Amino acid sequence: GESVGLHLPTLSVQEGDNSIINCAYSNSASDYFIWYKQESGKGPQFIIDIRSNMDKRQGQRVTVLLNKTVKHLSLQIAATQPGDSAVYFCAEKGYSTLTFGKGTMLLVSP
Amino acid sequence: GAVVSQHPSWVICKSGTSVKIECRSLDFQATTMFWYRQFPKQSLMLMATSNEGSKATYEQGVEKDKFLINHASLTLSTLTVTSAHPEDSSFYICSASKQVGTEAFFGQGTRLTVV
Repeated sequence: GESVGLHLPTLSVQEGDNSIINCAYSNSASDYFIWYKQESGKGPQFIIDIRSNMDKRQGQRVTVLLNKTVKHLSLQIAATQPGDSAVYFCAEKGYSTLTFGKGTMLLVSP
Repeated sequence: GAVVSQHPSWVICKSGTSVKIECRSLDFQATTMFWYRQFPKQSLMLMATSNEGSKATYEQGVEKDKFLINHASLTLSTLTVTSAHPEDSSFYICSASKQVGTEAFFGQGTRLTVV
């Protein structure tokens, strides 16, 4: 599974910009992926998911891209708002358990 | 729907004491519940998986005698940190699934500080 990092990568953007958060996964057999948003002191919130038979899925202001060849996921947030400031995690789902990636802190300045 | 609640939201305890954290599924029955630990600026690490009415399955490196998990009903799982030490200070998060393999819903987390 993913190794846990000792620091959190940070992405700083201006309000209104588009944000792209990246994630690498390790298990080529993984077939379901989820992006979560975690605000300070709270549990993770589901944002969007994607199955391995897709390479793109869109939600409201968010798009997830999956590149199985290089085992890479990205989360794109359009027109980023200050309320989007949080830590974002990708997660691989096995049969019953989730393996979380390292996380990226998104800081949105007005 | 699908609300998971943890109690308490935060707790401070003295070194050597035990502390219990509750995880409740408020509007659904949870066959499976998961417990995670998260240190500052790090990811969530799965500690154990508990299925209602059976013993929890612990991840490698997690001491089952230190982190006691009870999933006695379909709406409640508890995590007891026994003989807590300062290094057990962390953010503990639970999640619950209606059935094995289905979507998991997360609680809001419990901040444990051992002094």
